[in-house]
Amino acid sequence: DTEVTQTPKHLVMGMTNKKSLKCEQHMGHRAMYWYKQKAKKPPELMFVYSYEKLSINESVPSRFSPECPNSSLLNLHLHALQPEDSALYLCASSQEWGGLVSYNEQFFGPGTRLTVL
Amino acid sequence: AQKITQTQPGMFVQEKEAVTLDCTYDTSDQSYGLFWYKQPSSGEMIFLIYQGSYDEQNATEGRYSLNFQKARKSANLVISASQLGDSAMYFCAMSRRAGNNRKLIWGLGTSLAVNP
Repeated sequence: DTEVTQTPKHLVMGMTNKKSLKCEQHMGHRAMYWYKQKAKKPPELMFVYSYEKLSINESVPSRFSPECPNSSLLNLHLHALQPEDSALYLCASSQEWGGLVSYNEQFFGPGTRLTVL
Repeated sequence: AQKITQTQPGMFVQEKEAVTLDCTYDTSDQSYGLFWYKQPSSGEMIFLIYQGSYDEQNATEGRYSLNFQKARKSANLVISASQLGDSAMYFCAMSRRAGNNRKLIWGLGTSLAVNP
């Protein structure tokens, strides 16, 4: 199974709502990532989990809260978002994170298209 | 500064012809990796091909090949025999060390349209 799944595919939420994005992989990968992508722009890294521990937080506002319940699951909890947070949210996984090995192919999920009203 | 440059915002190619998408990079690392990803309008980021900085041979994956010129710091993607399904956004990215971690540095992308 070489697939990363993400739910939901689309999400519309108001600025006062609380919602969660879910990501799952069964490739035995030990690194998982959240990216935010605006239209026609490259992805922007938000968070990296390595061995279920938060390794990188790219100064993301606290209204985004990541969670890694186990090695296969990654959640992104959303609260009090702003309209400018509307974007495609991509989850990715890779075998390892860091170290001397430069090869670190990331497998991406199909993304969640988030609209904040 | 670590940087990826893709100078072609948009490209057109006729079906069945070959096309080259340009990518240059800037790094002081000795060990790094170069990746190409394809993103159709559906949104999924699809890995295409990888080239390591110590690899002497150019990488190939089916219709995709990477023209790696280390001295010129370029890693161009060549797509042979273009198909309509190749119409998509293409991103070049570089894996670089950031302390004990590695990050992907992304180019701005090239939008490829394949004409029938």
